[in-house]
Amino acid sequence: DTEVTQTPKHLVMGMTNKKSLKCEQHMGHRAMYWYKQKAKKPPELMFVYSYEKLSINESVPSRFSPECPNSSLLNLHLHALQPEDSALYLCASSQGESSRQPQHFGDGTRLSIL
Amino acid sequence: AQSVTQPDIHITVSEGASLELRCNYSYGATPYLFWYVQSPGQGLQLLLKYFSGDTLVQGIKGFEAEFKRSQSSFNLRKPSVHWSDAAEYFCASPYSGGGADGLTFGKGTHLIIQP
Repeated sequence: DTEVTQTPKHLVMGMTNKKSLKCEQHMGHRAMYWYKQKAKKPPELMFVYSYEKLSINESVPSRFSPECPNSSLLNLHLHALQPEDSALYLCASSQGESSRQPQHFGDGTRLSIL
Repeated sequence: AQSVTQPDIHITVSEGASLELRCNYSYGATPYLFWYVQSPGQGLQLLLKYFSGDTLVQGIKGFEAEFKRSQSSFNLRKPSVHWSDAAEYFCASPYSGGGADGLTFGKGTHLIIQP
């Protein structure tokens, strides 16, 4: 069982829709991450939150909007997505501000844009 | 910035045989290195990690990895593979090694287990 929970597991949306992906962890971790993974490719970093503040944004288009309401929750708000945004979106968390801390991943949300 | 390279896209191994997956790193100082496994339709699971100290690292599921500075390598090994080991394996390191940092991954090695 994964300790990082992502919902929904699957999402199909049109290009004009607005939806949100949710990620939750109860391990007391203070850093949380969003990655995008295309088929047969490695995950690519999108955002990093450290102590609930956005610390890294890897030049992600504004149609992706992250939010960290508290230390246990991480959301990714989606609006006006493009077909090329179809991918597996992975959330991860780690203990804190040290790259020694391993990241724990959820099972992802598989997103399909029609 | 740290980076890792996995030179093998696919590896086929017979069940019960030994396994070695290659990972090379590019970083001047002692790197932080991780191996993750991803089964189809699932997230990534940490197998093991290396920061410093003993160069032979033990992980979960019977895996181990050896850090070799002279070869800039951190290869993953298992003495006897099981059919359930079929998956995608990623070597990873932090982007910069400072603060809450994202991971940069190798391209992955797809492991196929033959009966």
